[in-house]
Amino acid sequence: GQQLNQSPQSMFIQEGEDVSMNCTSSSIFNTWLWYKQDPGEGPVLLIALYKAGELTSNGRLTAQFGITRKDSFLNISASIPSDVGIYFCAGQLSGGTSYGKLTFGQGTILTVHP
Amino acid sequence: NAGVTQTPKFRVLKTGQSMTLLCAQDMNHEYMYWYRQDPGMGLRLIHYSVGEGTTAKGEVPDGYNVSRLKKQNFLLGLESAAPSQTSVYFCASSHTGEQFFGPGTRLTVL
Repeated sequence: GQQLNQSPQSMFIQEGEDVSMNCTSSSIFNTWLWYKQDPGEGPVLLIALYKAGELTSNGRLTAQFGITRKDSFLNISASIPSDVGIYFCAGQLSGGTSYGKLTFGQGTILTVHP
Repeated sequence: NAGVTQTPKFRVLKTGQSMTLLCAQDMNHEYMYWYRQDPGMGLRLIHYSVGEGTTAKGEVPDGYNVSRLKKQNFLLGLESAAPSQTSVYFCASSHTGEQFFGPGTRLTVL
């Protein structure tokens, strides 16, 4: 099946630093989604991207849908301790028999030191 | 609205035992999904449903069965549990785009 390569696998940063992570795919997607998972909970959507080249912000988070439709990145500015968690990218095709299915990256584990 | 709920939260099984995981959503979503999450592998789709009475295989369906008798419920069954099925299981539902996830079930098979 389709594979998403997400990097880095883990990050250890100091509070206040900026963070950048990305996802690349061998296939194109119509939608890119970024989720965050807190320990012991299910993933929660952070940002959704629907158009190639789109740049979208949500507070301190900024994500972009790559022009080739095969990649996406997420930036977190001025990190705080509550940013700790696992961040997942997910690609989605639309229409036809896709039925909203998502393909997930392996996740980036973020640790923020106060 | 409770969103997506899952029961139980934790379960320990012995090899060969069977069990059913229940997922319920109150958002009137057509699509529902079951995933498993293993360290370093993200979330992998087990089975999904596009409406009441329908089910389809995902990426890793072997050893699992599902049923969607009511629109709001999606059941995941393990007929004969194996240690390789030790994992965290997530249910999700969606209309067309964003998937909403439940809190997960942590299953250990000894």
